[in-house]
Amino acid sequence: DGGITQSPKYLFRKEGQNVTLSCEQNLNHDAMYWYRQDPGQGLRLIYYSQIVNDFQKGDIAEGYSVSREKKESFPLTVTSAQKNPTAFYLCASSTELGSYTFGSGTRLTVV
Amino acid sequence: AQKVTQAQTEISVVEKEDVTLDCVYETRDTTYYLFWYKQPPSGELVFLIRRNSFDEQNEISGRYSWNFQKSTSSFNFTITASQVVDSAVYFCALSEAGGSARQLTFGSGTQLTVLP
Repeated sequence: DGGITQSPKYLFRKEGQNVTLSCEQNLNHDAMYWYRQDPGQGLRLIYYSQIVNDFQKGDIAEGYSVSREKKESFPLTVTSAQKNPTAFYLCASSTELGSYTFGSGTRLTVV
Repeated sequence: AQKVTQAQTEISVVEKEDVTLDCVYETRDTTYYLFWYKQPPSGELVFLIRRNSFDEQNEISGRYSWNFQKSTSSFNFTITASQVVDSAVYFCALSEAGGSARQLTFGSGTQLTVLP
């Protein structure tokens, strides 16, 4: 079945450490996205990519970085510059007609 | 800039009651999409509906119905005869219709609790 796979499901990060969240899709979608969700809040866009080797900052890109070397993959790195990284992270992809598919998410906790 | 407002933070109803979740949006785009998603405690987003701004027809799907009114920039969602399994956070979202990557702008969500 086609879909988006996010890993790991849970991730713990020490202060000052960089961590990378994986997002893989087999839907052949060009566009991919990373969203952050804090408790009691909606999803906010971190980064998005329209095509391989291209990506754009979203509303809250500071402290994050991404790459898009393959169409299927859009990993997100949470750097030590992100002062409050504890959150739920969702990856998504979309068709040109605006149909979105979301992954099951990664819960990141700073310990 | 786009904005989606879900003024109801939390709603509690008793099973079998009808409940309406409000959504008001702002956009300068003339063509856009509106969405509703359900987020159960497990966290994944479950797609419920997408509506094109050209189509103001109301839609019914089983116990779910949606009322899109462009004149008031609202896209409200009604659950008829609610069930305990409907308990979740519900998000309304908006995206522009053009371009190859369309960012979804989400409301802050409404936590619906259906009591047995």
